[in-house]
Amino acid sequence: DTGVSQDPRHKITKRGQNVTFRCDPISEHNRLYWYRQTLGQGPEFLTYFQNEAQLEKSRLLSDRFSAERPKGSFSTLEIQRTEQGDSAMYLCASRGQPSTDTQYFGPGTRLTVL
Amino acid sequence: GENVEQHPSTLSVQEGDSAVIKCTYSDSASNYFPWYKQELGKRPQLIIDIRSNVGEKKDQRIAVTLNKTAKHFSLHITETQPEDSAVYFCAARPDSSYKLIFGSGTRLLVRP
Repeated sequence: DTGVSQDPRHKITKRGQNVTFRCDPISEHNRLYWYRQTLGQGPEFLTYFQNEAQLEKSRLLSDRFSAERPKGSFSTLEIQRTEQGDSAMYLCASRGQPSTDTQYFGPGTRLTVL
Repeated sequence: GENVEQHPSTLSVQEGDSAVIKCTYSDSASNYFPWYKQELGKRPQLIIDIRSNVGEKKDQRIAVTLNKTAKHFSLHITETQPEDSAVYFCAARPDSSYKLIFGSGTRLLVRP
């Protein structure tokens, strides 16, 4: 499968715990995005990487959220001290060359905070 | 602030009829407008997109129109089929940003 992949697909955690999600973009896509989607809503932008540089972050991304893309390939999104309001689907998307606008989404990681 | 409004939130049509979904964006400098289809439990998938220098684009039964003056764009699906049933999201990319701002979605039901 050459599409965007995410791991895990589902995560259940207790409030206050830390969680980490992984995203593997399409091979050679140097642009990577994280979005959050709650039930009945459209995806909401969290952060953007071009290669290993984090170039844009949403104001919604509190200091409990951190994302990395150390080698410009896969990315991780960590949420510290999870809260019930963090329960959502976390989507990763990747994009290729500058001339291509299309963002390809992964299947998402569904987080449930109890 | 940056915002995309999408209407209607739900749409039910008879198979074979046309469906139209409308979106309005707030940032006049937005330059790219994709439409995504999301089936239950699946990832969003791009179905068509348009850039700000084009007024209309068509791909088989799907078309998108853009009115930059009014800051709105629409998705048109003709000859709808039951497999078109899904949630459709419009999005806009502000010129000063890398992100997409999504609408709240339209749940389309095509009745056989």
